[in-house]
Amino acid sequence: AQTVTQSQPEMSVQEAETVTLSCTYDTSENNYYLFWYKQPPSRQMILVIRQEAYKQQNATENRFSVNFQKAAKSFSLKISDSQLGDTAMYFCAFMRYHGSSNTGKLIFGQGTTLQVKP
Amino acid sequence: DAGVTQSPTHLIKTRGQQVTLRCSPKSGHDTVSWYQQALGQGPQFIFQYYEEEERQRGNFPDRFSGHQFPNYSSELNVNALLLGDSALYLCASSSRRGTQYFGPGTRLLVL
Repeated sequence: AQTVTQSQPEMSVQEAETVTLSCTYDTSENNYYLFWYKQPPSRQMILVIRQEAYKQQNATENRFSVNFQKAAKSFSLKISDSQLGDTAMYFCAFMRYHGSSNTGKLIFGQGTTLQVKP
Repeated sequence: DAGVTQSPTHLIKTRGQQVTLRCSPKSGHDTVSWYQQALGQGPQFIFQYYEEEERQRGNFPDRFSGHQFPNYSSELNVNALLLGDSALYLCASSSRRGTQYFGPGTRLLVL
């Protein structure tokens, strides 16, 4: 069974600074996807970034980037130039690649609460 | 382009009652997944529907059941509600590319 671990329950960062959230996972699969989702106080789950395991290049979306270390089963999220609107709970999630027309289930970590301070 | 929608937004029920939650997927998506999220926890997978059939199921009892309609919308039904069923219920839709996009959720409180 796959598991996802986020070891930092809470983090804080000053506005405009950079912060890194950690995530490790355990799987025997070779083909899978990894995601970071953001959940602000409204509790709407918002996709931040996606990484395919077969891709060596780390994914980047504007101020958000990942450090994907497949051998170490590590998938950290770096937020640059932090903004007050980045305050939210961040979830790391794993999905096994199904290779068919339907998609797999997401397995989530426990989340990291990020507070951006002015 | 409308995203994933869910109804109702909030619901209060008493123990033993039954509840139905609804989800309409994002345009172009044909797969709907349901998750339960307790406060302060990560979402837990309940089940997934594709082509009007349940394709995968998490560790939830048979009190949790669902349905998918020809227009890809979906319902989640919970029978014999327990206090522990109080949670945020999230619906996510996806297409073949695999990325799941979430709706705003339904907050269920069981008294």
